[in-house]
Order: sequence, then structure tokens, then C-alpha cells
Amino acid sequence: EAQVTQNPRYLITVTGKKLTVTCSQNMNHEYMSWYRQDPGLGLRQIYYSMNVEVTDKGDVPEGYKVSRKEKRNFPLILESPSPNQTSLYFCASSRQGAETQYFGPGTRLLVL
Amino acid sequence: DAKTTQPPSMDCAEGRAANLPCNHSTISGNEYVYWYRQIHSQGPQYIIHGLKNNETNEMASLIITEDRKSSTLILPHATLRDTAVYYCIAAPKSSASKIIFGSGTRLSIRP
Repeated sequence: EAQVTQNPRYLITVTGKKLTVTCSQNMNHEYMSWYRQDPGLGLRQIYYSMNVEVTDKGDVPEGYKVSRKEKRNFPLILESPSPNQTSLYFCASSRQGAETQYFGPGTRLLVL
Repeated sequence: DAKTTQPPSMDCAEGRAANLPCNHSTISGNEYVYWYRQIHSQGPQYIIHGLKNNETNEMASLIITEDRKSSTLILPHATLRDTAVYYCIAAPKSSASKIIFGSGTRLSIRP
């Protein structure tokens, strides 16, 4: 089954404690992306990757890092989380850019 | 990337056609119009996309004006399961580009 998986689905952490949210897709897609969603603000793109070893900033990259060492994986790294990064995070993949993106189930993050 | 504007909310009676408008007056020639929807807090789901011709698939129809400055997503026979937030995006097909979702339209289907 074609899918995008994210782990963990729920996470409570404390300010400053480094964390990684994993994202994996099984569709051999070249394009992968991370979004955050906050009430009233819709989805905002954090980072995207056009292919292995190629990443670029989206609209709200501050406080986040990503890497794309393999085609199927695109982890999101918060080196020093802060409470304003409390949000719902989605990973997505597609063959090309905005075309038919498949989204993961989301990760709810609470930073205390 | 072109910005899009959508009404924050709409409602529609079950069984009727739901017409969701989107304004993208600054759209570039190489940008497509994409529609996604999000039910509750699930991951958004792709619906349809088009460049300048009208498009139809099993989920919906997309009507793009001749000047490409606006479009309408049509759900021909809305059901309660179509209650969701609908997002209109204008973006090139190229992967070398940010994607801007906007705030979307919350569509409520009334029985």
C-alpha cells in the first residue's frame, strides 16, 4: 500500500531537548516536504527536498533542520525545541512538487 | 509563488452541488491550480489540479476562468463526508519551488 509514515504520532517534550520526527515513503517519490499546522494559520511549509541531498527552505524554516540521505526518508530535526514549536506536523511526498502530494498522518508535538 | 484567497467558510445542503471559489489573480503562466482537502486533523488529500482547461475526475470538477485569475472547485453531489477544509494552491509543477497552502475554506454540509 502506498503510504507516508511518520513517527512518533504524539510527542511531549521539554524546551531544549533535541528531538527527531521521522518520515518515510514507499512510493519512490523524489519530492518530500514538511509542514506545520497551527489553528487559524493553515498549513505552512517548513522545508522541502527535491531529491537526495537537495533541500531548501520553505516559509517557516527557523528552528528546524532536515536531511535527505536516502530517497525514502526525510527526518525533521528540532535541535533545541521551544514552546512556539508546539504544533501539528505533516510530512508529504510526491513525484514532483505540488502535484498529487501524499500526506502522512501527522505528528502532534507539545513543547513544555 | 502566487498567493490564493478563499472565503473562510461556506455551507451547502446535502445532495446539492458545492461550488468553492478561489482567487489567484497573480498566478504565473507556469503555475497550476491544485485543490486539496483536509478532514478534521488528518493529512490533506489531493483532489484535482489543472493549468487552463477545465478538469474532471471521480471526486470533483475544476473550472478555471479564461484569464486564469480565479477558479471554482465543484463537488457535484455533496455528502456529509465532504465536510472538510478545502485548500486551493497555485504552484509550478517543478519541485524547485515552495508550496503555499493558505488558510482554506471550511465547507459544512448540512443534512
